[in-house]
Amino acid sequence: DAGVIQSPRHEVTEMGQEVTLRCKPISGHDYLFWYRQTMMRGLELLIYFNNNVPIDDSGMPEDRFSAKMPNASFSTLKIQPSEPRDSAVYFCASRGTGGSTGELFFGEGSRLTVL
Amino acid sequence: QKEVEQNSGPLSVPEGAIASLNCTYSDRGSQSFFWYRQYSGKSPELIMFIYSNGDKEDGRFTAQLNKASQYVSLLIRDSQPSDSATYLCAADTGGFKTIFGAGTRLFVKA
Repeated sequence: DAGVIQSPRHEVTEMGQEVTLRCKPISGHDYLFWYRQTMMRGLELLIYFNNNVPIDDSGMPEDRFSAKMPNASFSTLKIQPSEPRDSAVYFCASRGTGGSTGELFFGEGSRLTVL
Repeated sequence: QKEVEQNSGPLSVPEGAIASLNCTYSDRGSQSFFWYRQYSGKSPELIMFIYSNGDKEDGRFTAQLNKASQYVSLLIRDSQPSDSATYLCAADTGGFKTIFGAGTRLFVKA
């Protein structure tokens, strides 16, 4: 399997612009997570899905952030409008349930810089 | 209060020594606990998981869990320079929701 695939790997944008981050989970995994990592706050859970349905979005910072999972193989995290404080590495991760150890499989991350 | 707490370090140990990393969690309902290693510029990768009180050993790594004290630790024996990384403690807080600590940076000096 190719693992969790994220795009873009790097994004530089200007304040106020819309940013869309994409994720393809491992086939067969029914949970998908979006995390944000910064030096100050560490790895923060933003939202997670089970079978394409959002289960907990309490970590989403504010209404500027939204996430969707239209099908089992694709999810997006959108920031509109973006602000400099959104600069971070955004990780997508997936996991299975049946027989799973609970391990999260991470993508390589999307490094976002908002100028 | 953050749900999973770790000392951010850095923790510096000489090569061959034992590195001890600690973590506490606040949700008593948490059942599963994990240690991930993250090299600079890379994504986290799982190195240990533990569900039951006591010790669990895998090679040079030993995870310890004490649910009464809400405490998880990771021991790395015979530390190598290649072990230098950030170690993230994580807990499943229910409903498969996985929360991470801020991580402890470990430096192993050759």
